[in-house]
Amino acid sequence: AQTVTQSQPEMSVQEAETVTLSCTYDTSESDYYLFWYKQPPSRQMILVIRQEAYKQQNATENRFSVNFQKAAKSFSLKISDSQLGDAAMYFCACNQGGKLIFGQGTELSVKP
Amino acid sequence: GAVVSQHPSWVICKSGTSVKIECRSLDFQATTMFWYRQFPKQSLMLMATSNEGSKATYEQGVEKDKFLINHASLTLSTLTVTSAHPEDSSFYICSARAGWDRQNYGYTFGSGTRLTVV
Repeated sequence: AQTVTQSQPEMSVQEAETVTLSCTYDTSESDYYLFWYKQPPSRQMILVIRQEAYKQQNATENRFSVNFQKAAKSFSLKISDSQLGDAAMYFCACNQGGKLIFGQGTELSVKP
Repeated sequence: GAVVSQHPSWVICKSGTSVKIECRSLDFQATTMFWYRQFPKQSLMLMATSNEGSKATYEQGVEKDKFLINHASLTLSTLTVTSAHPEDSSFYICSARAGWDRQNYGYTFGSGTRLTVV
C-alpha cells in the first residue's frame, strides 16, 4: 500500500525566515510524481510545486524548492523568505495508479 | 490554466434526504475525476475515482450505495449523498486530472463543498 507521511503536524516560522516541511513516502512504482499543495483557510487546494521522480534535479518555484531524495523516499519543501500569506495547511502527495494520495498535513504559521 | 468548478460551495440538508454535488472541468476534458472527503484539520481521504462512461471505483470502506458517483460526460462528475445523516457532514472536494504529457501532468481541485446534515 502506498503511504505518505508528514511527521510535523505544526510548524512555525518568523516572517522573512526559511522553513522546511518534511515528507516521506512509500511507493512500489518506478515512475511517479510528487506534489506539495497549499490549503489556506478558504480550503482551496493550490499546487505549490511538483517533482517528477525520474528527474534528479530538484524542482524550484520562486521561493519554494524541494529536496528530493529518491533512495530515501524523502520529499521536503523549503520555503524561503516566508511571508504572512504562506500561512496555511501544506499537504505532500504522491500519485500511484493515477490516484493522488495525501499525507496528514502540516499547519504552517508565520509570525510577523 | 485548468479550472474545476464545484457546486454548491455549501449546503445544509435534513437527515434522510439526498444531496447532489457537481464538479465540472471548465476548460479541459477530464476523463478521470476524484472525490475526496476532508474532516477539520485532517487530510484529504480519497473516496472514489470516477471515469467518464464507466462505473466509479470506490476506496475500501466507502459505501457505494450511500455515495453515488456519476461521470456522464468528459466535463461533469456528480456525487450524490443519499439518505444523509449527521455523520456524513464533512467537506467534500473533487479533483480532475489535467494533462497527459509529463510537462503538464497534474491535478486540479474544485473549491469544495461543505455539507451539514441536521
